[in-house]
Amino acid sequence: GEDVEQSLFLSVREGDSSVINCTYTDSSSTYLYWYKQEPGAGLQLLTYIFSNMDMKQDQRLTVLLNKKDKHLSLRIADTQTGDSAIYFCAETIYNQGGKLIFGQGTELSVKP
Amino acid sequence: DTEVTQTPKHLVMGMTNKKSLKCEQHMGHRAMYWYKQKAKKPPELMFVYSYEKLSINESVPSRFSPECPNSSLLNLHLHALQPEDSALYLCASSQEDGATGELFFGEGSRLTVL
Repeated sequence: GEDVEQSLFLSVREGDSSVINCTYTDSSSTYLYWYKQEPGAGLQLLTYIFSNMDMKQDQRLTVLLNKKDKHLSLRIADTQTGDSAIYFCAETIYNQGGKLIFGQGTELSVKP
Repeated sequence: DTEVTQTPKHLVMGMTNKKSLKCEQHMGHRAMYWYKQKAKKPPELMFVYSYEKLSINESVPSRFSPECPNSSLLNLHLHALQPEDSALYLCASSQEDGATGELFFGEGSRLTVL
């Protein structure tokens, strides 16, 4: 079945790195995504990785994918207070018409 | 233009009212979606339209009625809602409905049912 799991909370100090983890169960995932949602706002796509890739880097963001363990992580370098938000991991499954399976979301709190 | 625009941003309605939520995109995307989101929970898929045809209905109650008048517009008609339907309703679009690309989300319409 389809299931995406994340820890619910993460608290870091400004300037530190944040690592948000996600596990998924469906091995036929095609794309895996990280979305950011600030309070009262919609979802913003941060980055995504195709399932045959191991790593993707985009400025302060690094995505690591361990397909064997079905584990995805998002590292935010030099975390700022503006990074405080809920981060959702999501996957799409081949042949399911673009349906996104979301994790529960990790609430990142960045303290000055 | 890389935006998905939703109106209204906020809506308060009684259980006997009829109202509509509207969504518009001008990115040439051929798939459009409605999601429902409760506070601090992940979005839940309601409907998917692909090339203006309803392709996925996630067993949504009939008091929610989607409509896709053309490839740029998506509506969600609301009638006889319940207080538990209060939520953030998110519209999204993508180039196609396959697992090939990213979804662009609007800012959402926050619905309160009294």
